[in-house]
Amino acid sequence: DAGVTQSPTHLIKTRGQQVTLRCSPKSGHDTVSWYQQALGQGPQFIFQYYEEEERQRGNFPDRFSGHQFPNYSSELNVNALLLGDSALYLCASSLGVSRSPLHFGNGTRLTVT
Amino acid sequence: AQTVTQSQPEMSVQEAETVTLSCTYDTSESDYYLFWYKQPPSRQMILVIRQEAYKQQNATENRFSVNFQKAAKSFSLKISDSQLGDAAMYFCAYRSGTTSGTYKYIFGTGTRLKVLA
Repeated sequence: DAGVTQSPTHLIKTRGQQVTLRCSPKSGHDTVSWYQQALGQGPQFIFQYYEEEERQRGNFPDRFSGHQFPNYSSELNVNALLLGDSALYLCASSLGVSRSPLHFGNGTRLTVT
Repeated sequence: AQTVTQSQPEMSVQEAETVTLSCTYDTSESDYYLFWYKQPPSRQMILVIRQEAYKQQNATENRFSVNFQKAAKSFSLKISDSQLGDAAMYFCAYRSGTTSGTYKYIFGTGTRLKVLA
């Protein structure tokens, strides 16, 4: 039973660049959520995707965008990277938007220099 | 807006002993869920235990149990017979119920648990 998989595991980018992070949900799940975890903090909700649409969004600027594909996998895109975007980005999946609990991947560590 | 507070940045426990991690939350909702997640160095958030607010009985999962005090808005995690593998960051999380239409999780800042051999 495949869990949530994320790629890449680590990434280093320069300020102003753009980055794409990828996530495959747990087998049987159809909903993907993205969280940002800054060093020493708890995860912060970015957005949730279901049926290829963004269903809910947290308090993040439009530089953060996403996509969900027909196979339920998802991408997180961040444009015009800032130093403050350095964080661990966690993908979580569930069956349906309201189901609990979330199942998390191992995250992508993004460093912006 | 809902908030989750974990006031213990770090805790230590001797192997085989019992430790309690604290969590308080603030909400005006009556329908919600509470969770404890564990994050080891592998970075993956692993569900430890969950509690539905409408259930008065405290949740238990093997060596893990919670003390859910709804009126006090408190949700502590008790780990019995602590093991070296329990060492990790522990996060308390809140999620609104299905009637709210919002399903994001709100996490606390975490408690680092050290287990001493």
